Formats: sequence, C-alpha cells, structure tokens
Amino acid sequence: DAGVIQSPRHEVTEMGQEVTLRCKPISGHNSLFWYRQTMMRGLELLIYFNNNVPIDDSGMPEDRFSAKMPNASFSTLKIQPSEPRDSAVYFCASSLGQTLTNEKLFFGSGTQLSVL
Amino acid sequence: TQLLEQSPQFLSIQEGENLTVYCNSSSVFSSLQWYRQEPGEGPVLLVTVVTGGEVKKLKRLTFQFGDARKDSSLHITAAQPGDTGLYLCAGVFTSGGSYIPTFGRGTSLIVHP
Repeated sequence: DAGVIQSPRHEVTEMGQEVTLRCKPISGHNSLFWYRQTMMRGLELLIYFNNNVPIDDSGMPEDRFSAKMPNASFSTLKIQPSEPRDSAVYFCASSLGQTLTNEKLFFGSGTQLSVL
Repeated sequence: TQLLEQSPQFLSIQEGENLTVYCNSSSVFSSLQWYRQEPGEGPVLLVTVVTGGEVKKLKRLTFQFGDARKDSSLHITAAQPGDTGLYLCAGVFTSGGSYIPTFGRGTSLIVHP
C-alpha cells in the first residue's frame, strides 16, 4: 500500500488566493483527519470524517476553511481567501477506527503551506 | 491552553546517555499514544497504552501510563543518533464512532554522535 498520499508537498501562494490541499487515504480506512502543525501550537486537529461524513469541525479556525470528502478515497481542505497566518504544515491521516487498542493513525507526508 | 503538556520541549544529549520525556494532562484519556516524527514526514505511531500503570517496551524505549491514566513517560536507554526526532504524545478519546488523538506539542530530541 502506498500509504496516505497528500498533494502538493509544498505550496507557496499570495495572500488572498485560494488554496486547495488534497488527500488520498489508505484504502479500507473509514476515518480521515486533517491536522495543522506549527511551532507555536503543535499539531492541531482541524476536522475529522467517519465513513465520509464530517463528524466534528470545531477545530477549523475560521469560515475561510472548508473540507470535503466526496468519496472514501479522496478529501480536500480548502482555504479561501488565504492569509499569512495560515502558513503551516497540513497533515492528513487515516485510520481503521476498529478498537481502542488497535487504533493507529497513518499520516501523510504533509503539505508545507507558505502564504506571502 | 494545551490539553497535553510535554516536557522538556527540547533535549540535546550525547550518544549513550539515557533520557526521559514526560506527557501530562488534567484529563483522563481512553488511551495514550506515542508517535515519533522525523523532519519532512508525518508522525509514526510507536506504541499505544490503555491500562493505568501499563508498561510497554520497544527495544531501548520504555513507555509507562500513569495509574490515573492522565500522564505518561517515555524512557530511552543508551540513546543513539537514530533516535533523533520529535516525540509526540497523544491522548485518545472516543467521539462519533471514531478514536480521536489529541496531540501535545512534542519533545524535540537531538542525539549527537
């Protein structure tokens, strides 16, 4: 299995532009998570999906952020309009969500976003 | 306010030394996980502890879950340069049928040859 695949690996954009981050979870996993990592705040949960349905988006910082999961093999995180304070590494992760002892998040390599 | 506090934030040691990093919370979690993250990559799970007082060993790494399931420690014996990385603890709670890890800020470890 190729693991969780994120694209792009790096994104540099100007303030005000729309940014779309993409994620392909591991086949068969039914939970998908979007996290954001910064030095100041560490790894923050933005939103998670269970069986393609958004369960909790309370971590999404503002209405400028939106996430979709149209099918079991694809998710997007969109920022519109982007701002310099959105600069961070954005991670997608997926899991089987079976049992507490076996639960394991598989992370992608992340998207390094820089908003100028 | 961080739900999980990790200490120390940074640690720089020589090869062969022992070290312990800590993860503390005021919340009780269903389980607690430790991940290791290398530069340019996502975190990778090392271990999950579920029962209060549980101790797990992974080669030179020893993980302990506090009796009250609010804190945990990671001890590395005879550290090696390959242990360099960011060590993250994550408290797991259940919600909406999913298990949700909430992460601390991590301990950045550098082991010098």
